[in-house]
Amino acid sequence: SQQGEEDPQALSIQEGENATMNCSYKTSINNLQWYRQNSGRGLVHLILIRSNEREKHSGRLRVTLDTSKKSSSLLITASRAADTASYFCATGNTGGFKTIFGAGTRLFVKA
Amino acid sequence: NAGVTQTPKFQVLKTGQSMTLQCAQDMNHEYMSWYRQDPGMGLRLIHYSVGAGITDQGEVPNGYNVSRSTTEDFPLRLLSAAPSQTSVYFCASSYSPWPGQGLGESLFPDTQYFGPGTRLTVL
Repeated sequence: SQQGEEDPQALSIQEGENATMNCSYKTSINNLQWYRQNSGRGLVHLILIRSNEREKHSGRLRVTLDTSKKSSSLLITASRAADTASYFCATGNTGGFKTIFGAGTRLFVKA
Repeated sequence: NAGVTQTPKFQVLKTGQSMTLQCAQDMNHEYMSWYRQDPGMGLRLIHYSVGAGITDQGEVPNGYNVSRSTTEDFPLRLLSAAPSQTSVYFCASSYSPWPGQGLGESLFPDTQYFGPGTRLTVL
């Protein structure tokens, strides 16, 4: 079974708008990562947030983590057509060596 | 650095055939893993390795074998291909598999670097 579950499954917005994606997970984690996948390509790491962090920024990306609710969100501000991709959260369980991915959110940014 | 490389990019097999998907990295990463991605789904972990000579099963290991004789290479073997193994296969590597490395806090699992994938079709 998959650890992370993203919400929504698909999101369509206009260029310039903000996009928010959510990820929920089930067990205790060491850290949570967000990845982007362009169509037909491999995954590219965006940002990692550790279990003792609550918020992290990287350029137009903002990630929050709420370990009490076992959830995380990825906010992309001022979206661009080039942000069109699938976004996945991945979690590393405490004491384990497995990184488990969710099913992803498909983001479509209209120019 | 070439990063993580995978060969072949595309492969078509007949049911019952065997083959090996190659994966190599030149970043001196200890941790390597294999995932499969089916349409509309996330990645599912097949096998992983925390260092040369050490491998373990992931979520969906049946029908696949791995070995890790060197730090650089982590091949995935399909023993007897089945149509259910039609998928895109991704190899990934990561720097720090061991908790406690670096500044006294666990870094694992660290950022994973992915290869471009192998599209496999089993007829």
